[in-house]
Amino acid sequence: DAKTTQPTSMDCAEGRAANLPCNHSTISGNEYVYWYRQIHSQGPQYIIHGLKNNETNEMASLIITEDRKSSTLILPHATLRDTAVYYCIVRVVRGNAGGTSYGKLTFGQGTILTVHP
Amino acid sequence: DAGITQSPRHKVTETGTPVTLRCHQTENHRYMYWYRQDPGHGLRLIHYSYGVKDTDKGEVSDGYSVSRSKTEDFLLTLESATSSQTSVYFCAISPGTSRTYNEQFFGPGTRLTVL
Repeated sequence: DAKTTQPTSMDCAEGRAANLPCNHSTISGNEYVYWYRQIHSQGPQYIIHGLKNNETNEMASLIITEDRKSSTLILPHATLRDTAVYYCIVRVVRGNAGGTSYGKLTFGQGTILTVHP
Repeated sequence: DAGITQSPRHKVTETGTPVTLRCHQTENHRYMYWYRQDPGHGLRLIHYSYGVKDTDKGEVSDGYSVSRSKTEDFLLTLESATSSQTSVYFCAISPGTSRTYNEQFFGPGTRLTVL
């Protein structure tokens, strides 16, 4: 799996958009970009993932550059409850549903996002 | 929220004693995982299961064993607990379908202290 690089920490004002970058310059063609977050003392929470097209769901948007070497997670209107560690993970999706190596996610150090009033 | 529980939620034990942590799911998901989380190391995969009685090692499996005798339960056992196994343990599940391979749902965690 490709290695990812994220800033150690970021700040964001409440109500503003939070843009969290992730560099994955060694990503290969069959690797997806996944984002998770972990709020203090809780288990990680899946946010969104994508291959090459921009994706949006009820939680966030994911923008992947055309060369796929980097991506940005966007929280459009950050709230205090969005304060968390955000993890960017690059992971291949196997074509065989019977395979045994699914879901072996590797969590790095992530980005500590602090949303302040 | 995914139906996933962990028990116990907190445990204090002594070095050398056996410890079993339980992960229970009500989602009938195929894949289950055990992670540990320590300051400075992030989340690290211990073991995972891709079906009943089918398990495999993760990156930090030494000192741990697992069992999965039915779909809903995944047990993590420390045969002889050591202080280095003091950690927060998270269980996760995922459906393992062609669209959701890496979408994992995590439990609330178990805080284990080995004295």
